[in-house]
Amino acid sequence: KQEVTQIPAALSVPEGENLVLNCSFTDSAIYNLQWFRQDPGKGLTSLLLIQSSQREQTSGRLNASLDKSSGRSTLYIAASQPGDSATYLCAVGDSGGYQKVTFGIGTKLQVIP
Amino acid sequence: ETGVTQSPTHLIKTRGQQVTLRCSSQSGHNTVSWYQQALGQGPQFIFQYYREEENGRGNFPPRFSGLQFPNYSSELNVNALELDDSALYLCASTPGHLSTDTQYFGPGTRLTVL
Repeated sequence: KQEVTQIPAALSVPEGENLVLNCSFTDSAIYNLQWFRQDPGKGLTSLLLIQSSQREQTSGRLNASLDKSSGRSTLYIAASQPGDSATYLCAVGDSGGYQKVTFGIGTKLQVIP
Repeated sequence: ETGVTQSPTHLIKTRGQQVTLRCSSQSGHNTVSWYQQALGQGPQFIFQYYREEENGRGNFPPRFSGLQFPNYSSELNVNALELDDSALYLCASTPGHLSTDTQYFGPGTRLTVL
């Protein structure tokens, strides 16, 4: 059974700081990994999707890496802004008969102006 | 805006009742997945439908059931509601047959069971 862990559970940083969010998963036989953003009480917005054959993906100030063999992914946010405040969720897509997505609990990020 | 809509936004029910939640996917998105997100938790996979047939299910009892229609709309039905069913219910659609492709989430329906 796939388990996804995200550390830290919460993070508070001053505006402008670079930061790293961590995600680990127990079963390395994955199809892909996605990072999502969720604002309070809202749905999820896909930020980056990394296929199992890829090592990283970049979009603007965001960079996500994947190390399948060690069961880890990181989301790097450069020059953080108050608008980045949200919960960031890591989701692992399992390979197999049908593809199932397993989410972590998320990291709640607060960027202080 | 993902183009995925859900209704209603909020819903209050009492224990033992039945509820139907609705989702409208983007045109051309043949796969829809449903998730339950309890407060402070990550979303839990309920099931997915591809071209009107259920083709994957998480660890949820049979009182959670669904339907997908040819017009890219879908429903989540929950019978015999329990207090623990209180959660945000999210639907997500993908253009292909894999729920692990980029998913487009709706804003969710907040269900409260009293």
